Amino acid sequence: NAGVTQTPKFRVLKTGQSMTLLCAQDMNHEYMYWYRQDPGMGLRLIHYSVGEGTTAKGEVPDGYNVSRLKKQNFLLGLESAAPSQTSVYFCASSRMTGANVLTFGAGSRLTVL
Amino acid sequence: ILNVEQSPQSLHVQEGDSTNFTCSFPSSNFYALHWYRWETAKSPEALFVMTLNGDEKKKGRISATLNTKEGYSYLYIKGSQPEDSATYLCASQTGANNLFFGTGTRLTVIP
Repeated sequence: NAGVTQTPKFRVLKTGQSMTLLCAQDMNHEYMYWYRQDPGMGLRLIHYSVGEGTTAKGEVPDGYNVSRLKKQNFLLGLESAAPSQTSVYFCASSRMTGANVLTFGAGSRLTVL
Repeated sequence: ILNVEQSPQSLHVQEGDSTNFTCSFPSSNFYALHWYRWETAKSPEALFVMTLNGDEKKKGRISATLNTKEGYSYLYIKGSQPEDSATYLCASQTGANNLFFGTGTRLTVIP
């Protein structure tokens, strides 16, 4: 079982470029999440999905879009990258709603110059 | 946005010492409290999820308690080992999908 896999692990972008981060999980989890982690701050929720075809905004959604076309995949897109989006991005999934633990991916480090 | 605070920010202990950290959260709209262990260059891994006031959970040498009325949780590590070195994250959950993370306590166990 791979768990939660994120690609790419590292990426450097120039301001204004676009890119997509891919999150894939093989645990048949319903819920998937994208977080960003910045120095001195806790993990902050960007967007989440409660099932295939559905997405919702989290705490810091501006500048990002997401899609969940397949249950196992959750994509995070940056249409026009900004230096403020330099961060480490974590994808997570959980089996269902309620007090269920999150399974995290290994993280994707994005630098926007 | 929920203010979840963890203390101390970092901690160095000698191998064999026992230690504990605190997670403070607003007690209103409480749903669940999560603890995760995050080793450098790895992804956070779940330790415990607690929902009821007075809950106590244990996994090996690590245990946690929950006080929802006063809004705090303690994580205890008994007889710390170098492999316990990691950042310990707590997150307060207020609803089905609303987890708010603290900034973590970074533990270093000195051999």
